[in-house]
Amino acid sequence: QVQLVESGGGVVQPGGSLRLSCAASGFTFSNYGMHWVRQAPGKGLEWVAFLRYDGSNKYYADSVKGRFTISRDDSKNTLYLQMHSLRAEDTAVYHCAKDVTGGRFDYWGQGTLVTVSP
Amino acid sequence: EIVMTQSPATLSVSPGERATLSCRASQSVSSNLAWYQHKPGQAPRLLIYGASTRATGIPARFSGSGSGTEFTLTISSLQSEDFAVYYCQQYNNWPPLTFGGGTKVEIK
Repeated sequence: QVQLVESGGGVVQPGGSLRLSCAASGFTFSNYGMHWVRQAPGKGLEWVAFLRYDGSNKYYADSVKGRFTISRDDSKNTLYLQMHSLRAEDTAVYHCAKDVTGGRFDYWGQGTLVTVSP
Repeated sequence: EIVMTQSPATLSVSPGERATLSCRASQSVSSNLAWYQHKPGQAPRLLIYGASTRATGIPARFSGSGSGTEFTLTISSLQSEDFAVYYCQQYNNWPPLTFGGGTKVEIK
């Protein structure tokens, strides 16, 4: 069965950096685009970034553009989110999600919590 | 950016009753609309895509309808496991992908 397991969250100071990972199993990872979606405390879901299956296209939400980078290592079946210049408003649970037919998600991970605090 | 608006924010329903959730798009998204169920501490789950197609393994009590800018998710007879937050999401015109603010279905 499809499994997506995020890791790498934690507490970081404003201006700091963090790299999240998403380990995928149960499907041919290299054939699918992948997303990051976050949920701030008490808020709804917010799409963060997308990486096409072949790495040819990357898209970002305006709120993270220029600070976050999405990448993948197909040899390790792993998706990454490198986050720099973190702000308090980046505090959230970050989920990775598998893309199907361009822009909708058929499987999600449980998420990893990122807290940006002095 | 397409803005998605869900109503109501909270819906109080008794087990066995029908729940009707609404989602409105700021411009047409055709039928490129999905619904997700999210419980605290869990991964969100895809319920409906293409506005009305149930995802694999989703019970028949969940149904979706609508097109263009107005959409509805109906849960015909609420079970205890259905109490959760429900989100609509458009994938017609992106980036960005956008979600509604969510409807919390709680026990009355």
